[in-house]
Amino acid sequence: DTEVTQTPKHLVMGMTNKKSLKCEQHMGHRAMYWYKQKAKKPPELMFVYSYEKLSINESVPSRFSPECPNSSLLNLHLHALQPEDSALYLCASSRPGDGYTFGSGTRLTVV
Amino acid sequence: GDSVTQMEGPVTLSEEAFLTINCTYTATGYPSLFWYVQYPGEGLQLLLKATKADDKGSNKGFEATYRKETTSFHLEKGSVQVSDSAVYFCALGGTGGFKTIFGAGTRLFVKA
Repeated sequence: DTEVTQTPKHLVMGMTNKKSLKCEQHMGHRAMYWYKQKAKKPPELMFVYSYEKLSINESVPSRFSPECPNSSLLNLHLHALQPEDSALYLCASSRPGDGYTFGSGTRLTVV
Repeated sequence: GDSVTQMEGPVTLSEEAFLTINCTYTATGYPSLFWYVQYPGEGLQLLLKATKADDKGSNKGFEATYRKETTSFHLEKGSVQVSDSAVYFCALGGTGGFKTIFGAGTRLFVKA
């Protein structure tokens, strides 16, 4: 299995909602990442998990809360988002220092 | 700090034309270098990589050579197809192995 699976593919949520994005990989990669990508821009790093521990948090607002329940799963919990948080959210995994395998992303719209 | 600079797009080519997308980098140490491709509505895919000076990465007819003397990693393809239309990102593997730095991306349009 050489894929990163993200669900849902599309999500529309109100500013008072709570939702979660999910990511799963079975390649044995011990590093997992959340990226945010706005239209016509490169991905921006949000969080890095290494061996299920949070190793990088790029000063992301607390309305985004990551979770790594085990070595295959990565979640991103969303609460009280703003319209400017609308973007494509990408999950990726890798061996340390190696290239990333990305999921196809969750396109999030905050209304 | 480390950085990646890519040529601005969009780049528009006719089918079977030669492609070059320029990428230069600034880095301390000896980072790995990558090219990623993003097709419309999808996530990024790793296209090729090089881990040390003079390495050539290649995949699907694309090539790039890690040039330490010119701090460059230009992407080339001898004959592009309409299906190559996408956004191409040059990237640098950061120190510590977990923080990749992406260039701004170059959009490629290939006309039939």
